[in-house]
Amino acid sequence: SQQGEEDPQALSIQEGENATMNCSYKTSINNLQWYRQNSGRGLVHLILIRSNEREKHSGRLRVTLDTSKKSSSLLITASRAADTASYFCATDDRGSTLGRLYFGRGTQLTVWP
Amino acid sequence: DAGVTQSPTHLIKTRGQQVTLRCSPKSGHDTVSWYQQALGQGPQFIFQYYEEEERQRGNFPDRFSGHQFPNYSSELNVNALWLGDSALYLCASSLGFTSGRNTGELFFGEGSRLTVL
Repeated sequence: SQQGEEDPQALSIQEGENATMNCSYKTSINNLQWYRQNSGRGLVHLILIRSNEREKHSGRLRVTLDTSKKSSSLLITASRAADTASYFCATDDRGSTLGRLYFGRGTQLTVWP
Repeated sequence: DAGVTQSPTHLIKTRGQQVTLRCSPKSGHDTVSWYQQALGQGPQFIFQYYEEEERQRGNFPDRFSGHQFPNYSSELNVNALWLGDSALYLCASSLGFTSGRNTGELFFGEGSRLTVL
């Protein structure tokens, strides 16, 4: 299976702290994405990093990608209670251009006020 | 700019029944993908529709079928429901990959929560 796997499964921190989530995957990719899901709601795209990129920033988000280790990390700096959600990494299939995404089980982040 | 809309938001069915879920893609998008998300799991790809044809299919039985209309909206049909079909069904839209404008990003609706009793 190409499915990514996030680590840890759950993360609990205080407001103001940084949150780091990791993702590992198994096959070659074109890009890797991170999505956020509030409880029982739809997924919201956060950031996309291409296979030829090593790091990308968007606001308080920093994503790294190591294709040699088939791993990525998502860092949320100065976390807020509103960041409480599940975070999923999603990979595509390098051999396909049709856009199917493979999701992991997610990291449940809880940020306490 | 309307985002992805799905209906119904919640529904309850009994085993053996059939269900139809509906999705309208984000304005300007022509490709619709459906995902199933069981409780505590990540979304699993069911299939993708583009130009009214099923282009890709995940590991789901034939009980799962779909359709895309000329206005790009889509339906997901599930026959012979069983308890294991209880899940959040997510619709996601994007630009077709042949358009040259696809960014890889999917835009998701809020989902249809199906409970099978």
